[in-house]
Amino acid sequence: EAGVAQSPRYKIIEKRQSVAFWCNPISGHATLYWYQQILGQGPKLLIQFQNNGVVDDSQLPKDRFSAERLKGVDSTLKIQPAKLEDSAVYLCASSPRTSYTEAFFGQGTRLTVV
Amino acid sequence: RKEVEQDPGPFNVPEGATVAFNCTYSNSASQSFFWYRQDCRKEPKLLMSVYSSGNEDGRFTAQLNRASQYISLLIRDSKLSDSATYLCVVNIDNYGQNFVFGPGTRLSVLP
Repeated sequence: EAGVAQSPRYKIIEKRQSVAFWCNPISGHATLYWYQQILGQGPKLLIQFQNNGVVDDSQLPKDRFSAERLKGVDSTLKIQPAKLEDSAVYLCASSPRTSYTEAFFGQGTRLTVV
Repeated sequence: RKEVEQDPGPFNVPEGATVAFNCTYSNSASQSFFWYRQDCRKEPKLLMSVYSSGNEDGRFTAQLNRASQYISLLIRDSKLSDSATYLCVVNIDNYGQNFVFGPGTRLSVLP
């Protein structure tokens, strides 16, 4: 079974530039998550989709971050404009639509804002 | 109070040692619990789910105490390959999935 695919793996941008990340979840997984993981911390949920609807985006900095999941499959996360503090690993995860199953993670995109 | 808290670490232990990690959560309605392992510069991967009755997988034992809102992970006979960060994860949603991660506890097993 193919895992969660993310691209790019690495990205370096200057502050105030924009950047986009792409995620393709495991086939058939209804729930898709974007997490931000700053070095030395646990992943923090940015946004959660159930199919193509947003379930939770309470921790998404909406003035600069946006995400969409068109057709309930692939998803993109965008940052515009980027700040230095956005430097982190952005992890995409997916899970089936049941309460007691775990989330499966992609390899993440390591973003460095300089 | 943070939703999920863990031992701050790091833990440096010799090979063969037994080590225990603790995790507490604040949402008493949480329904499912997990331990994830994260190697350096890699994504988190599920180590084991945590069941109410406790569960064991080889050298790893997980315990859940709902009354105290406490989860533990015990690793026996530590191997060098166990060196990683261990993340406690709590699903705080009764009806769906809302995974909250702890900050992680780093383990280094030394030769």
